Amino acid sequence: GQNIDQPTEMTATEGAIVQINCTYQTSGFNGLFWYQQHAGEAPTFLSYNVLDGLEEKGRFSSFLSRSKGYSYLLLKELQMKDSASYLCAVRDSNYQLIWGAGTKLIIKP
Amino acid sequence: TAGITQAPTSQILAAGRSMTLRCTQDMRHNAMYWYRQDLGLGLRLIHYSNTAGTTGKGEVPDGYSVSRANTDDFPLTLASAVPSQTSVYFCASSDSDRGEQYFGPGTRLTVT
Repeated sequence: GQNIDQPTEMTATEGAIVQINCTYQTSGFNGLFWYQQHAGEAPTFLSYNVLDGLEEKGRFSSFLSRSKGYSYLLLKELQMKDSASYLCAVRDSNYQLIWGAGTKLIIKP
Repeated sequence: TAGITQAPTSQILAAGRSMTLRCTQDMRHNAMYWYRQDLGLGLRLIHYSNTAGTTGKGEVPDGYSVSRANTDDFPLTLASAVPSQTSVYFCASSDSDRGEQYFGPGTRLTVT
């Protein structure tokens, strides 16, 4: 079967750095996405990785290792507004997105 | 730019009744999707459409139907609602099946 695993919840301090991990087992791989979802709102696109390595976009970076079936999202200089759920999704061989359950990130002052 | 709109925002529906959730996008995206999101689970694909005039089944299609008569609209119909269809429903679109997806604000449906 297809499976995406992420931690259910993480807590971090304002101004700090946090790494959210995602491991996957899917039928085929055509890219990995990270989305941010604030409570009661729609998911919004953060990043996309299809090749191994690190993609940096401002305070957010995303890393991919296809051989390990592993990705992480790195958030630097955390702000209170970063409190949200972070969703990992893999595009499979049928070009459909398989979604993890999301990691709820709690930022404390 | 409106992006993707969904209606209604929320709805309470009696079991056995039918309902259509509306989704409209103004980005001229070819692909559209319907997901449901339940607590503790990832988004699950209900139905999708890669282009106007075509539709396909996702992971959890039973009890739902869709149509794609034109590029902009992708309604989702529940023919006879059951309590297990209580969920938050998101419509999404992308310029192709290879692009990132953009989501509507969601419809919160409660079936009693």
